[in-house]
Amino acid sequence: GEDVEQSLFLSVREGDSSVINCTYTDSSSTYLYWYKQEPGAGLQLLTYIFSNMDMKQDQRLTVLLNKKDKHLSLRIADTQTGDSAIYFCAPYSGAGSYQLTFGKGTKLSVIP
Amino acid sequence: DAGITQSPRHKVTETGTPVTLRCHQTENHRYMYWYRQDPGHGLRLIHYSYGVKDTDKGEVSDGYSVSRSKTEDFLLTLESATSSQTSVYFCAISEGTSGGGNEQFFGPGTRLTVL
Repeated sequence: GEDVEQSLFLSVREGDSSVINCTYTDSSSTYLYWYKQEPGAGLQLLTYIFSNMDMKQDQRLTVLLNKKDKHLSLRIADTQTGDSAIYFCAPYSGAGSYQLTFGKGTKLSVIP
Repeated sequence: DAGITQSPRHKVTETGTPVTLRCHQTENHRYMYWYRQDPGHGLRLIHYSYGVKDTDKGEVSDGYSVSRSKTEDFLLTLESATSSQTSVYFCAISEGTSGGGNEQFFGPGTRLTVL
């Protein structure tokens, strides 16, 4: 099955950029999702990238995909205190499976 | 936000008692999922459903059963709760592979404590 690895913690200063990294093992992953979980809440779909893309930009969010190295990153520009949350990477390979495999999540702390 | 509700939102129960958690959706999505979230483990899939009366096991299904008699409702039952089932439980829904992806939308979660 798919293995997904993320760093557990990241701390940045308000206004700086944050980069959250993810590595995965299934090379047939077609959609790669990023979710955000604020304290006490469910997961919120943030963005995703399709496997034939290298980069996707969505306002302050930039997703980079290195398919050869099976490495995904999420960059948050001008990080705000409201970005403090846990971020999950979730690749999806399809192929008859309807399951997402989630990483353990990266807890982003933004220092004012 | 996707129309997903979970009930109850919080529950405290004793070891050995049966517990049923309910997930209700108003989106008419075909697929529904139950996950548990524990520190150090992230989210792990318990069971999922790909249609009315069609369910399958996930990664951590032991001690859990599910039922889906209507499109909108997916029930998770702990037949005899144990302390190891203390967790936060999330329901999710998706339309499945339409367009090739599987965007899942999550409910607010149920915090279950088994004493």
